[in-house]
Amino acid sequence: SYVLTQPPSVSVAPGKTASITCGGNNIGSKTVHWFQQKPGQAPVLVIYYDRDRPSGIPERFSGSNSGNTATLTISRVEAGDEADYYCQVWDSSSDHYVFGTGTKVTVL
Amino acid sequence: QVQLQESGPGLVKPSETLSLTCTVSGGSISSSYWSWIRQPPGKGLEWIGYIYETGSTNYHPSLKSRVTISVDTSKNQFSLKLTSVTTADTAVYLCARVREGSTYFDFWGQGTLVTVSS
Repeated sequence: SYVLTQPPSVSVAPGKTASITCGGNNIGSKTVHWFQQKPGQAPVLVIYYDRDRPSGIPERFSGSNSGNTATLTISRVEAGDEADYYCQVWDSSSDHYVFGTGTKVTVL
Repeated sequence: QVQLQESGPGLVKPSETLSLTCTVSGGSISSSYWSWIRQPPGKGLEWIGYIYETGSTNYHPSLKSRVTISVDTSKNQFSLKLTSVTTADTAVYLCARVREGSTYFDFWGQGTLVTVSS
């Protein structure tokens, strides 16, 4: 089955930029979605279709997808961005939904 | 605004069957794909499977032999049954909707912790 690999953790100082990668075989041919999950809460969609932002999500969140890597970028990081982040795709060959391994973002 | 709420026992004995229900409010269960997702304590999200209003299903390959997802459109509910549970099935179980015509989950329940223990 399709596998999505993320770094376990990313640390970033307030006001700086955090980049979270999501690696998968030819992931650029798929559409990638990103979720933010804070402790004890359900995941919240922050990016869909590689780079689109749902209403209410700050412009500081952006996404890209090419080749074997998709990336979620958080600019001007704030303390409230500290959370776990997951990428997600739908694998058309199996008709399965797949989540990445997750990345914990720590704001220093 | 669509809302989802999981319900079911919080404690299940090893080798028994885990049963959960997701009640959908604020919208119809028709014309969408509905999924179960789980998250073991301190670990990542794992998709379990989906069901469509017609009853069509698809499951994660590692759970396929033990999982059944069903739908009751008259009650606006869908359910999960996981047989022969072990401690490895201890997790927060979440239900979610796949946005119609898309491939991402747009509405989620808050999740319910199910512990497998004797």
